[in-house]
Amino acid sequence: QKEVEQNSGPLSVPEGAIASLNCTYSDRGSQSFFWYRQYSGKSPELIMFIYSNGDKEDGRFTAQLNKASQYVSLLIRDSQPSDSATYLCAVDYGGSQGNLIFGKGTKLSVKP
Amino acid sequence: SAVISQKPSRDICQRGTSLTIQCQVDSQVTMMFWYRQQPGQSLTLIATANQGSEATYESGFVIDKFPISRPNLTFSTLTVSNMSPEDSSIYLCRAGHTEAFFGQGTRLTVV
Repeated sequence: QKEVEQNSGPLSVPEGAIASLNCTYSDRGSQSFFWYRQYSGKSPELIMFIYSNGDKEDGRFTAQLNKASQYVSLLIRDSQPSDSATYLCAVDYGGSQGNLIFGKGTKLSVKP
Repeated sequence: SAVISQKPSRDICQRGTSLTIQCQVDSQVTMMFWYRQQPGQSLTLIATANQGSEATYESGFVIDKFPISRPNLTFSTLTVSNMSPEDSSIYLCRAGHTEAFFGQGTRLTVV
């Protein structure tokens, strides 16, 4: 069974710190990886996607992928209280349907 | 990036009735996906909708309960049939493969 695991948190960091969110996945056939942010009562908002091993940076966000370790992470630099949300990791296992398997999410709280 | 309009945004329904949720995409997409997110949980895929063919349902979801239409490459509907309180959830549509954007969601409460 294909699984995506995340620490449910809550992860609490002070404002201005780096928040590190982690995700592991079970199937080595995975091809692409997505990070979503979901505020309470809202739909998930795509932050980043990554396909290749290494780092991908977009503003304050950096996604890191290590396929050998089946591990993907999201770093948020200079965390702001507005970053407080649940972060969902999603994995595309490369099937023809383009389905994404979601983790249960990590709740991040950034304290002023 | 695709813009996805989903409606209704919320509804309160009586048990035994049905609700149809609509998703409109501003560009043509091959696949559309319907998810359910129960309170405090992550997203569970209900089915994948491909234009011109029957939807593909995930384990635990059946067409009689969640009929889906996909009449063209920009539009899809999900019906939640014969509702019970257990169907109270947020329902989300997703479009696109590499970009994977979501509609705004439909918060359904069954009383």
